[in-house]
Amino acid sequence: DGGITQSPKYLFRKEGQNVTLSCEQNLNHDAMYWYRQDPGQGLRLIYYSQIVNDFQKGDIAEGYSVSREKKESFPLTVTSAQKNPTAFYLCASSTLRGGGTDTQYFGPGTRLTVL
Amino acid sequence: GESVGLHLPTLSVQEGDNSIINCAYSNSASDYFIWYKQESGKGPQFIIDIRSNMDKRQGQRVTVLLNKTVKHLSLQIAATQPGDSAVYFCAENNYGQNFVFGPGTRLSVLP
Repeated sequence: DGGITQSPKYLFRKEGQNVTLSCEQNLNHDAMYWYRQDPGQGLRLIYYSQIVNDFQKGDIAEGYSVSREKKESFPLTVTSAQKNPTAFYLCASSTLRGGGTDTQYFGPGTRLTVL
Repeated sequence: GESVGLHLPTLSVQEGDNSIINCAYSNSASDYFIWYKQESGKGPQFIIDIRSNMDKRQGQRVTVLLNKTVKHLSLQIAATQPGDSAVYFCAENNYGQNFVFGPGTRLSVLP
């Protein structure tokens, strides 16, 4: 059963805590992405990675960190420096074309709430 | 459910009617477009895509139309069903770049 999995589905964080969101894919995709979704807005890119051990900042990287130690995994850490972390977080993966993304497929999402 | 889609434009259609959802994209150099469907509390689901060398592409009950002159994309859903109720959004891509996503339109199917 191929696809993208995210865990946990719901996550609660106290102010000042770091939390890590998991994303795993078994589609053999080279590229992986993290997006943030807020009500009434389009998806905003946080970080992306096109190859193991390499990643780039997206449009809203401040307060977030990532790692890409394995092709299948791209965890996102929401640090205490992120001032408004409550949001729905989506992970996606894709093959590459022309040095950039091809069709992106999404995981089921993680809803993060700051208490 | 999730609070995704608050304050989005809403399209209400009767069950069995056809739906047309529109999207204006921003970059005239974009050459690849995708429509996604997102149900409450779930991740976006790929519906259909189209490349800029085409004006129209059909799938099962869905058709995407691309008008590059006015930078407009539309998604047509035939014989709309209750299971089609969701937020639909478009994504545009310029070769070698990342996607830009629209905020979406909420489709509500009335019985």
